[in-house]
Order: sequence, then structure tokens, then C-alpha cells
Amino acid sequence: SYELTQPPSVSVSPGQTARISCSGDILSIQDGYWYQQKPGQAPVMVIYKDNVRPSGIPERLSGSRSGTTVTLTISGVQAEDEADYYCQSADSGGIYRVFGGGTKLTVL
Amino acid sequence: EMQLVESGGGLVQPGGSLRLSCAASGFTFSDYPINWVRQAPGKGLEWVSYLSRESSTIYYADSVKGRFTISRDNAQKSLYLQMDSLRAEDTAVYYCVRESSTPGDYSLDVWGQGTTVIVSS
Repeated sequence: SYELTQPPSVSVSPGQTARISCSGDILSIQDGYWYQQKPGQAPVMVIYKDNVRPSGIPERLSGSRSGTTVTLTISGVQAEDEADYYCQSADSGGIYRVFGGGTKLTVL
Repeated sequence: EMQLVESGGGLVQPGGSLRLSCAASGFTFSDYPINWVRQAPGKGLEWVSYLSRESSTIYYADSVKGRFTISRDNAQKSLYLQMDSLRAEDTAVYYCVRESSTPGDYSLDVWGQGTTVIVSS
């Protein structure tokens, strides 16, 4: 099976930096992608191909990679960043799309 | 504005069938692969199925293989998901999601608002 592991929750105070990790063997071969989902809304892609930010996504959101772990970093966290965040990748053959279990970011 | 709009969700009994539809607008539908992704109540995202631009390549999650059928009509700019032999664990919001057209890029960059499927007696 293909698994991506995220921490269930992360809490930070406004203005601090939040880091959400995502680890899995498939990340040794494939890129990582990140999605933000606010309550009652559809997910929105915030990072693709490990560290590329789509247009319209604030610069305080960034992505990085170290080995088989990708990390979403939110600098200067704001109240509006409170959401669930999901990482995603694909298996080596590009058949299965795989999501991590999600991380709930709480802004204290 | 690029948009995907799902429809067809509802309440169905276990063992029953349902057909979801997804209408695309604001982009050239035939240029992109499309996926279905679902989210059970209070749970995370689960990929369900993938369909290539010309319907030549189809993939399913193991949890739905043999029960669900994905298809598209590029002339109608529409995607479909035929769901048969439904189970309680298929209860979820189902999202229609555009994927990047670049090989090796698995970006899911446009999401619909979702349609709710409830499987219950």
C-alpha cells in the first residue's frame, strides 16, 4: 500500500510559523502537493511539485523537501490560515493518487 | 472562470446505484485528465478514480474497483461516475477534480463544490 503520514494537528499563535510534515516512501520518487480545506468548502491547491506556489496563493505559504518528507511552512500565521491541510502524491507508476490523512491547523 | 459543477448525489439504499455527473466550464475540458475524489463525513480525502483526456486510461482505487465506472463526454464537457453495489462506507461528498495535463505532474488544480451521496436503509 502507498501511505503518506501527517501529524493530526498543529497549533500555533498568530504571527508564528507553522510547519506541517508529510512523509512516505513514494515521495522518494514522486513530488508532493498540498491542499487547504476550510470548513464546508472544497479543497484548494496551495503548493505543487514540492515547492511551487500557484498564482493567488500568499507568499507566506511555502513548500520544501528533505528526502522522503515534504513540508508545508506557513510563515506569519494568520487567523484565516486555520484549516485542514492535506498532502498528496502518486505511486511510482502514476496510477494511484494518494492523500495523507490531513492535519488540522489551529491558530490559537 | 474555470468551474466544475457536480450533480446527482442523494440518498440510496445499500446495494443500489447512483450516477454522478460533473459539468465543466471556463477551460478546454478535453485537454485535461479528470478525477473523482471523495470525503466521508468528518474524514480525510480519498482518491476514487482517474480518467485520461481521451478516455484511453482509467484507474480506480481498490475500494471501488469493479463497482464504480468512470466516463466522460468531451463534446458535452461532462464527466460521470456510475456507482453500483453501493455500501454504507461509500457515503461521502464526491468531488470532481481536474488534474494537470503535464505528464508526471499530479496537481489537482480545479475542484468542484462536491455532491453528497448517502448510502443508508
